[in-house]
Amino acid sequence: AQSVTQLDSQVPVFEEAPVELRCNYSSSVSVYLFWYVQYPNQGLQLLLKYLSGSTLVKGINGFEAEFNKSQTSFHLRKPSVHISDTAEYFCAVNGKGTSGSRLTFGEGTQLTVNP
Amino acid sequence: EPEVTQTPSHQVTQMGQEVILRCVPISNHLYFYWYRQILGQKVEFLVSFYNNEISEKSEIFDDQFSVERPDGSNFTLKIRSTKLEDSAMYFCASSGNQGNTEAFFGQGTRLTVV
Repeated sequence: AQSVTQLDSQVPVFEEAPVELRCNYSSSVSVYLFWYVQYPNQGLQLLLKYLSGSTLVKGINGFEAEFNKSQTSFHLRKPSVHISDTAEYFCAVNGKGTSGSRLTFGEGTQLTVNP
Repeated sequence: EPEVTQTPSHQVTQMGQEVILRCVPISNHLYFYWYRQILGQKVEFLVSFYNNEISEKSEIFDDQFSVERPDGSNFTLKIRSTKLEDSAMYFCASSGNQGNTEAFFGQGTRLTVV
């Protein structure tokens, strides 16, 4: 079984500031890790994923995340945010090597970018 | 770009009524899922479907829920007798032959039970 903890429920930042959204997970097996974004009244869009290899993964819209196995973390970062980045961000995991396994989501972090 | 489509986008139903939520997954995908998100809460897994049968279900997915792939393209979620607490956004998702490497989500169906 897996669980995901997103440490901040709300993160307000000013435009062009850097941001980090924190995600920690626990699992008894190796995992794949994902960040999804949900804009108001829309579905979930994949931002980036970690499957294997380099621990720093780059995604869409200038976001990146770093997998840290020892700290069981997968924090999302962006060096300079835009107003359009305002959305809910979800960290998710599923078990590696288990085909079609469920995604377990965190509680979500509402990122609000202010002018 | 291929996408998962869901219909309707919003459904209002009376308590006790049956509803069917419809999804068209990405055409060459093999794994199909339903998730739900109660307003203000996190996204929760309901069920996964592979090779024409349920491969995994959560404790939420009780006897009032059922899934079906009736015609090789659609994937449906039926709620037999809706309750107020079934009000939520329901997301369909699909993934390819690697199963758990990436799930593509639809835009969701907002179900309101009154």
